[in-house]
Amino acid sequence: KNEVEQSPQNLTAQEGEFITINCSYSVGISALHWLQQHPGGGIVSLFMLSSGKKKHGRLIATINIQEKHSSLHITASHPRDSAVYICAVPTTGGGADGLTFGKGTHLIIQP
Amino acid sequence: DGGITQSPKYLFRKEGQNVTLSCEQNLNHDAMYWYRQDPGQGLRLIYYSQIVNDFQKGDIAEGYSVSREKKESFPLTVTSAQKNPTAFYLCASARMGVDTEAFFGQGTRLTVV
Repeated sequence: KNEVEQSPQNLTAQEGEFITINCSYSVGISALHWLQQHPGGGIVSLFMLSSGKKKHGRLIATINIQEKHSSLHITASHPRDSAVYICAVPTTGGGADGLTFGKGTHLIIQP
Repeated sequence: DGGITQSPKYLFRKEGQNVTLSCEQNLNHDAMYWYRQDPGQGLRLIYYSQIVNDFQKGDIAEGYSVSREKKESFPLTVTSAQKNPTAFYLCASARMGVDTEAFFGQGTRLTVV
């Protein structure tokens, strides 16, 4: 079964800073997900990626399949980016039996 | 628009009562999943279903039950046997293939008092 490690667990930064959140996993996968969870609990899917890089607004996600590692970057961070960011990968290679989630990175952006 | 609908977003129940959480999808996905989140922990798999009328236990199935009578619907019942039911519950569905693409509901926060 896959195991997921996210770092850092907590991150506080000033508005405008460049943010990087890391995710490592143990078993080769077909795709990795990045999710955002705001206070109050609602989950939003940010990215699903299987190779290379994806960009959406100020968010950039990269993945290195060989190194089993993904990063989520936030450029020009803003207080509204404050949330928990979670990465998730298939529990087994095929993914039919669901996802394994990281514990999340709690991000606070101060004005 | 296709997606997953979980309802309600917040739910309160008295201890000892069964409660059913709704999850509906119109994505024509075969696979559906229920996860639970506790503070400081990652989401954990409760039950999943890959086809109508069939489902499998996940890592923490005790105290929960599910049904999959229709492809679109995968309700989760939190029974009185679940010792710590207060948690955040997330439903997901997936299109199986080379790139397993999962979609997520917004979640239901259940509080048992």
